Amino acid sequence: GENVEQHPSTLSVQEGDSAVIKCTYSDSASNYFPWYKQELGKRPQLIIDIRSNVGEKKDQRIAVTLNKTAKHFSLHITETQPEDSAVYFCAAIETSYDKVIFGPGTSLSVIP
Amino acid sequence: NAGVTQTPKFQVLKTGQSMTLQCAQDMNHEYMSWYRQDPGMGLRLIHYSVGAGITDQGEVPNGYNVSRSTTEDFPLRLLSAAPSQTSVYFCASSNSPLEQYFGPGTRLTVT
Repeated sequence: GENVEQHPSTLSVQEGDSAVIKCTYSDSASNYFPWYKQELGKRPQLIIDIRSNVGEKKDQRIAVTLNKTAKHFSLHITETQPEDSAVYFCAAIETSYDKVIFGPGTSLSVIP
Repeated sequence: NAGVTQTPKFQVLKTGQSMTLQCAQDMNHEYMSWYRQDPGMGLRLIHYSVGAGITDQGEVPNGYNVSRSTTEDFPLRLLSAAPSQTSVYFCASSNSPLEQYFGPGTRLTVT
């Protein structure tokens, strides 16, 4: 079955710097890769996703890149702000299997 | 729309007790799932359902049962609670496995 690894487990950056979180997956059939943000004490929420036929996707200060050959994808946050502090989860899905497998999460702290 | 609702928000059980965590959604979503969240282990899939009458096992199904008699409801049953089941449980729904909407979670402690 699918296995998703995520690094680093914790990340601290100064406000205004960039943050990068990396994930690797094992099943080459996976074709959809979402990222969820979970603020302290709240539920996870989807912030961006990418499909396997796309190499990069941007939405304002966040972007996701995908390297299918290497089976890894990354979340990039630019100009970080204190409200970006949260736990971020990546996931990999092979859409015909219906199972969503999450990575273990990255706790991001943005220091003002 | 209420979205995805879960009850109770908090629960304390003794080892061996049984209980049902409730999950309901009013978005007419076909896909529903249950996750448990433990520190350092992310969100692990317990069971999921692609529609009424259809359920399947996720990564960590042992000790849990589910049923899906209606599109709206997807209860999770703990048959005989164990301390290892202490966790935060999230229910989620969507039109597919893609963009999932999570409920507020249930914090369960088993003593």
